[in-house]
Amino acid sequence: LAKTTQPISMDSYEGQEVNITCSHNNIATNDYITWYQQFPSQGPRFIIQGYKTKVTNEVASLFIPADRKSSTLSLPRVSLSDTAVYYCLVGDYGRGYQKVTFGTGTKLQVIP
Amino acid sequence: SQTIHQWPATLVQPVGSPLSLECTVEGTSNPNLYWYRQAAGRGLQLLFYSVGIGQISSEVPQNLSASRPQDRQFILSSKKLLLSDSGFYLCAWSGGGPQHFGDGTRLSIL
Repeated sequence: LAKTTQPISMDSYEGQEVNITCSHNNIATNDYITWYQQFPSQGPRFIIQGYKTKVTNEVASLFIPADRKSSTLSLPRVSLSDTAVYYCLVGDYGRGYQKVTFGTGTKLQVIP
Repeated sequence: SQTIHQWPATLVQPVGSPLSLECTVEGTSNPNLYWYRQAAGRGLQLLFYSVGIGQISSEVPQNLSASRPQDRQFILSSKKLLLSDSGFYLCAWSGGGPQHFGDGTRLSIL
């Protein structure tokens, strides 16, 4: 299983764009990159998933360089409600199940 | 749309007592199902996963067990709880894409 490395914590002011980078040097050919958001006492919530280049949805963008050894989650104009822990995972979704490893994540604190 | 339900939301149990946590998924068939545990301030640890009825794979040896009696039902059990079993237990499902999580059960052992 590919291991991921993320910053332990980040602070940002409201309204700013936040970029959280994740390193996954041992990512395998069939692995996808997935990001989750978790609030206290709740289950992780899927944010975005990608394989290469750039993926954008209504809440975030995911940038993946050509070598795929890292990825960056971009949250535009964060608000106080974006304060949460963000997890980066890599895993092979082509199989019937996914054994993915959750690290300790990045605790994002949005400041008013 | 698919939904996942876990219950109870919180549970306080004495050491040595049995445990049964239930998870059900609606709106999909033959999902992959997962049980995770999260210690305070830590990431999620995969405990069990299942790709079909009666098929359980264990990731971490411990005094917990899992069963899948029906396609969309996943149960986490223990015959005798230990203090170290305290934590936040999460059920998840997937259908070939990313995993989707329930709201978890906070288990406290006294």
